[in-house]
Amino acid sequence: GAGVSQSPRYKVAKRGQDVALRCDPISGHVSLFWYQQALGQGPEFLTYFQNEAQLDKSGLPSDRFFAERPEGSVSTLKIQRTQQEDSAVYLCASSPDRSIYSSYNEQFFGPGTRLTVL
Amino acid sequence: DAKTTQPPSMDCAEGRAANLPCNHSTISGNEYVYWYRQIHSQGPQYIIHGLKNNETNEMASLIITEDRKSSTLILPHATLRDTAVYYCIVNKGGSEKLVFGKGTKLTVNP
Repeated sequence: GAGVSQSPRYKVAKRGQDVALRCDPISGHVSLFWYQQALGQGPEFLTYFQNEAQLDKSGLPSDRFFAERPEGSVSTLKIQRTQQEDSAVYLCASSPDRSIYSSYNEQFFGPGTRLTVL
Repeated sequence: DAKTTQPPSMDCAEGRAANLPCNHSTISGNEYVYWYRQIHSQGPQYIIHGLKNNETNEMASLIITEDRKSSTLILPHATLRDTAVYYCIVNKGGSEKLVFGKGTKLTVNP
């Protein structure tokens, strides 16, 4: 079946522009995560949705970052007034509905969107 | 901060076993050890996880020490396609976010 897809795969923005990054999770997956990966580093958590509810946004680096998942499926990460330090790969991951008592925590990642801010 | 320590890089000959170590000395009793890998220009991919018993699946084996303070991921017959960054993560499972460190860059040589 189809995996997690993200679009665009590459985005170049001028400093100060707004960008929107899209994530299509695996159909039926309840949980959706966004991560940011700087060059040479591991991914860092940004935010987490359970269906349409944003349950954790503790990783968003500033109020210029905004994420939504209005119908509990597709999610959009928006970055306003982009800065050079926003240049990174933005990864989306989804996972199925699992009991909080389950050890199984496989997250299925998309290929990422590489954002370059000039 | 990541709760794990891994060597930054390792090399392995094609066809040989690759043994990737991970230290997680502060792991708590309800945390699992997860391994993910990230091939160049792709998103991370789940490999295996365990609590205290050794685990094996079609991709790899996971050996966890009795005190649970360290573990080893074993790729029994490494291929060139196993060249990737391997991340060891401790996590309580469920819907908890993943906290990645810098991982180990494994290079499989022909």
